[in-house]
Amino acid sequence: GQQLNQSPQSMFIQEGEDVSMNCTSSSIFNTWLWYKQDPGEGPVLLIALYKAGELTSNGRLTAQFGITRKDSFLNISASIPSDVGIYFCAGQRYGGSQGNLIFGKGTKLSVKP
Amino acid sequence: DSGVTQTPKHLITATGQRVTLRCSPRSGDLSVYWYQQSLDQGLQFLIQYYNGEERAKGNILERFSAQQFPDLHSELNLSSLELGDSALYFCASSERDSHTGELFFGEGSRLTVL
Repeated sequence: GQQLNQSPQSMFIQEGEDVSMNCTSSSIFNTWLWYKQDPGEGPVLLIALYKAGELTSNGRLTAQFGITRKDSFLNISASIPSDVGIYFCAGQRYGGSQGNLIFGKGTKLSVKP
Repeated sequence: DSGVTQTPKHLITATGQRVTLRCSPRSGDLSVYWYQQSLDQGLQFLIQYYNGEERAKGNILERFSAQQFPDLHSELNLSSLELGDSALYFCASSERDSHTGELFFGEGSRLTVL
């Protein structure tokens, strides 16, 4: 099925560093979302983007909906140990059911204190 | 706590067997979604129910089936299990079938097929 290309697959960073990850697709999406999955938990929505070019922040997190509608990025500033987890991008097309969210394969983030 | 409850949390069974996974959505949510998470495939959408009716279908195998009951809880039935069915199965819910993309996920049921 349709895939989103999410990169990098994993990151090992020092506490305090900034992090950047992105997601690309060959198809257009009308909604881009970023979820985080803590170990042993289900994914939790971090940021939702509904408009091409939109830049949205949630605390130390900033995400952008690419102008071509085929990509999105997520930045985390001044990382802390609790940022550890797997970050998933997800895309949804206009008129599609929410069940048809397409998820990327995730970016696993490790933060060294 | 997302408010979505899944049982069992862990399940170990043998090939050829049949299991049922259960999900109670958040209070007031009408839509329930099932996802499969395996190491190499990420999160794969299986099926969605809205207020008791099937709304959308993803990559769900014919050996798998689901339903949503009048009290809105849902069950995912996996039969003739194969080793490759070992995965984390997530249930998620949302208030309705809107286009916000926000789903509330449970903690998952980890299925191991030996």
